Amino acid sequence: EPEVTQTPSHQVTQMGQEVILRCVPISNHLYFYWYRQILGQKVEFLVSFYNNEISEKSEIFDDQFSVERPDGSNFTLKIRSTKLEDSAMYFCASSELEGGEAFFGQGTRLTVV
Amino acid sequence: GESVGLHLPTLSVQEGDNSIINCAYSNSASDYFIWYKQESGKGPQFIIDIRSNMDKRQGQRVTVLLNKTVKHLSLQIAATQPGDSAVYFCAEIKAAGNKLTFGGGTRVLVKP
Repeated sequence: EPEVTQTPSHQVTQMGQEVILRCVPISNHLYFYWYRQILGQKVEFLVSFYNNEISEKSEIFDDQFSVERPDGSNFTLKIRSTKLEDSAMYFCASSELEGGEAFFGQGTRLTVV
Repeated sequence: GESVGLHLPTLSVQEGDNSIINCAYSNSASDYFIWYKQESGKGPQFIIDIRSNMDKRQGQRVTVLLNKTVKHLSLQIAATQPGDSAVYFCAEIKAAGNKLTFGGGTRVLVKP
């Protein structure tokens, strides 16, 4: 069964450092997303991406964040200068259709120290 | 504003009994609703969805009910099993959008 894969599963970084979280969406999907979940809280939308551009982003997704689809398979989330409050699980998701069922990866646990 | 919320943070249920998880939403513009299951250390897993033109949809051991009048969504799990222990989130998508707005989650604990 096709699945969304994310690497690494756990990333520890020092405050102020840049991190890149990687995702391989399901191959025939056209819509890509990043969500995050702070420990014990609900899943929050960060950004959606379609046709090589951001289609929607939340207030959380400020100038420190960026997304890229560098090739035909990877979808990355970059945080330029991490803050302690960026510590969370980051989930990548993809969907075949706009407004359709989104499939989630297993997540990357980001710990900023 | 838009919000999706849950009434019960934790639900304990005896194995074999039925579970009902409730969710309230406030955005009348939402037309697609999904229930996700999240096990510890894993990403949300799709369970069942429903469009706003329906009021009931059944899957394998799960049923989702949508009451648009009171903006209420519920998930019923029949014959709850230990493997059903997880956190359950409802999520909504507005018409012509693709962003999921998640509720706060309900933890279901299945007692043997």
